[in-house]
Amino acid sequence: KAGVTQTPRYLIKTRGQQVTLSCSPISGHRSVSWYQQTPGQGLQFLFEYFSETQRNKGNFPGRFSGRQFSNSRSEMNVSTLELGDSALYLCASQLAGGIVETQYFGPGTRLLVL
Amino acid sequence: AQKVTQAQTEISVVEKEDVTLDCVYETRDTTYYLFWYKQPPSGELVFLIRRNSFDEQNEISGRYSWNFQKSTSSFNFTITASQVVDSAVYFCALSEGTSGTYKYIFGTGTRLKVLA
Repeated sequence: KAGVTQTPRYLIKTRGQQVTLSCSPISGHRSVSWYQQTPGQGLQFLFEYFSETQRNKGNFPGRFSGRQFSNSRSEMNVSTLELGDSALYLCASQLAGGIVETQYFGPGTRLLVL
Repeated sequence: AQKVTQAQTEISVVEKEDVTLDCVYETRDTTYYLFWYKQPPSGELVFLIRRNSFDEQNEISGRYSWNFQKSTSSFNFTITASQVVDSAVYFCALSEGTSGTYKYIFGTGTRLKVLA
């Protein structure tokens, strides 16, 4: 069974631009969560999507948004990029989401904002 | 407040030594799950173990073992006879919540360096 895939793996953008990251969950999984990982803040939860609906949201500004498609693939968008948005963005896949389930992570997208 | 504390920022050991990574958590929920993940230099988080709040039995998997103690709110991870391939950042995580809304909270991680 294929794992979680994230594209692109690496990205360089400049301040003010916007970026879209993609995540394809494990086949059959319907829940996708996004995390931002930085040296200073560690792993922080961005949001979770289940059946095309945002079910949970972390404490990030409105510049961070996401969506999920009917095939469970998810995209995350960051508008008006700031230097502090440079991070590793990780996507996690779960069967249906919830406290009991294990999250399976993708390799991440490394975003550098110049 | 929900919180996961990994007080050890970085640990260095020599190969074949045993090493214990500490994890202390805070939660008001009676039902919760605890996890350990490994993050090698490649960046991908790798699931190691899940334990629910009602199961305090210790677990051993090869060179890995976990000690869950609700009395001290700790879920410590021990690697026996460490190897260079164990070098990674290890994260402890807590999952809690009810009614379809849950939180997945990570500790700050412990970087383990195993020297040959």
